[in-house]
Amino acid sequence: AQTVTQSQPEMSVQEAETVTLSCTYDTSESDYYLFWYKQPPSRQMILVIRQEAYKQQNATENRFSVNFQKAAKSFSLKISDSQLGDAAMYFCAYRFPNAGNMLTFGGGTRLMVKP
Amino acid sequence: DGGITQSPKYLFRKEGQNVTLSCEQNLNHDAMYWYRQDPGQGLRLIYYSQIVNDFQKGDIAEGYSVSREKKESFPLTVTSAQKNPTAFYLCASSMRASPPRSPLHFGNGTRLTVT
Repeated sequence: AQTVTQSQPEMSVQEAETVTLSCTYDTSESDYYLFWYKQPPSRQMILVIRQEAYKQQNATENRFSVNFQKAAKSFSLKISDSQLGDAAMYFCAYRFPNAGNMLTFGGGTRLMVKP
Repeated sequence: DGGITQSPKYLFRKEGQNVTLSCEQNLNHDAMYWYRQDPGQGLRLIYYSQIVNDFQKGDIAEGYSVSREKKESFPLTVTSAQKNPTAFYLCASSMRASPPRSPLHFGNGTRLTVT
């Protein structure tokens, strides 16, 4: 079974600085998809960024970027120029092919942003 | 605007009673999902449905039941057989597995408390 591990239950960052959230996963598949979701206090799940395993180039979305290390099965999220609105729970998720669109989620990292 | 509506936002029930959580989407998505969220455990898949009149068990289906009579609706019933029903429940939908990188769209969730 696939597992996703987020080893940092909580992280904090100073406003305008950079923070990296860690995620590792276990799979025997070679083709899969990885996602980071954000859950603010409203508890709405919001897609932050996605990465296809067959792409070597790391995905970026404005201030958000990933460091995808396929051999190490690592998928970290970097948030640059942190803003107060970035404070939330962040979940890493894995999707394996031919499984509909089901996701396996990590346990989450709570990010606090200090003004 | 298109989206996913979960109702009610908060639900309280006595132990031993069945309760049904509503999930409606107007995104014309084929696939729908139910996730359970407990503190520190991320999201776990309860049931999913890829087409009308068809659904499959997820990782933690015991004590739950679903129906998919209409494309727009995927209600979840928490039965008295569910040993620890108090949790936050999230409904999601997506295009049917294609394109495979399509993200899940989530509702705002229902907080169920059973005493």
